Amino acid sequence: DAGVTQSPTHLIKTRGQHVTLRCSPISGHKSVSWYQQVLGQGPQFIFQYYEKEERGRGNFPDRFSARQFPNYSSELNVNALLLGDSALYLCASSVDRIETQYFGPGTRLLVL
Amino acid sequence: DAKTTQPNSMESNEEEPVHLPCNHSTISGTDYIHWYRQLPSQGPEYVIHGLTSNVNNRMASLAIAEDRKSSTLILHRATLRDAAVYYCILSIRNTGKLIFGQGTTLQVKP
Repeated sequence: DAGVTQSPTHLIKTRGQHVTLRCSPISGHKSVSWYQQVLGQGPQFIFQYYEKEERGRGNFPDRFSARQFPNYSSELNVNALLLGDSALYLCASSVDRIETQYFGPGTRLLVL
Repeated sequence: DAKTTQPNSMESNEEEPVHLPCNHSTISGTDYIHWYRQLPSQGPEYVIHGLTSNVNNRMASLAIAEDRKSSTLILHRATLRDAAVYYCILSIRNTGKLIFGQGTTLQVKP
């Protein structure tokens, strides 16, 4: 069975640009969560989506937004990129909001 | 959000058991204890989770103290592939949010 997939694997952007990251959950999973992992630190929770609605939000600015589509895939959007947004962005899926989360390999974003 | 405390690093010899400790003194009755591990350049991998009772699966065992203020992840026979950062995480039962700490970096020596 395919696990969580994320695209692209790597991305380089410059300050002020916009980026869209994509996530496909495990088949049958209806919840997707996004995490940001800065080098040397543990992942930080950004958003959780379940049944296409936002169910949780971490302490991130409004430049960060996300959505979930009818097929349960998800996009994370970041506007007006800052150097500090350079990180590994992880997507995790679960059957529902409270069940075990399974992580994808992540998208490594570098902002120059 | 309740937090966990783990040692920054631990070492183990290959084929020996490893006990990774975690303190969570502010845990509430509805918090689950999760363990994930992360290899370099990969996403976190689910290891095990529990609420009150000890748990076993094919990867590891989770021993939870009676007062639930601490837990221990047990790898029964460490292999070189077990070298990773291990995260002990609390999650509130009715939310899906995982709050990661710094984790324990486990080194396995041949």
